[in-house]
Amino acid sequence: EADIYQTPRYLVIGTGKKITLECSQTMGHDKMYWYQQDPGMELHLIHYSYGVNSTEKGDLSSESTVSRIRTEHFPLTLESARPSHTSQYLCASSKPHYNEQFFGPGTRLTVL
Amino acid sequence: EDQVTQSPEALRLQEGESSSLNCSYTVSGLRGLFWYRQDPGKGPEFLFTLYSAGEEKEKERLKATLTKKESFLHITAPKPEDSATYLCAVLLGFGNEKLTFGTGTRLTIIP
Repeated sequence: EADIYQTPRYLVIGTGKKITLECSQTMGHDKMYWYQQDPGMELHLIHYSYGVNSTEKGDLSSESTVSRIRTEHFPLTLESARPSHTSQYLCASSKPHYNEQFFGPGTRLTVL
Repeated sequence: EDQVTQSPEALRLQEGESSSLNCSYTVSGLRGLFWYRQDPGKGPEFLFTLYSAGEEKEKERLKATLTKKESFLHITAPKPEDSATYLCAVLLGFGNEKLTFGTGTRLTIIP
């Protein structure tokens, strides 16, 4: 059973605010991912990590940053939110040598 | 350019009416193809992984199959609770851990 958590589930903030989206998993998975998904559109990979102190940019250019200080924790930060950042953000993880990714419930972000 | 295309975009079926969803891909070095189910406002839920042409996987009313160019998700005698968006994703060549997703098929089962 996949145990991956994201907080907050919904966030409405004003332009220019700094925000951090939290993602935690209790499965001990090494690999973690952040995706962005707009309604009716495909998931786009924005960041991923192969383990502690490893972070890479994904295929979709993003103004966000990530960190991986602990195996279970992979937060995403936007230094200055803009309306173009409005989207659903999905966190996922997978275990070593396996490719199945397990997703969290997502954070729906709205920037006014 | 690597592409994943799902069809149809949307499908409405009567309860009990079987059908198939398609995922076609134009990629080189396919390492795996994945099916997910996504309910509105939630993250995708993993269903199946297929690794080689001819492989089949089943789970309740769902069966996934894979050929060299496409995959099908067959739904037999669906129920309203099967209504969701079904996503497929491909994993490319060695050293690349990134999934490429299609846009999904939105399935509605009418009671």
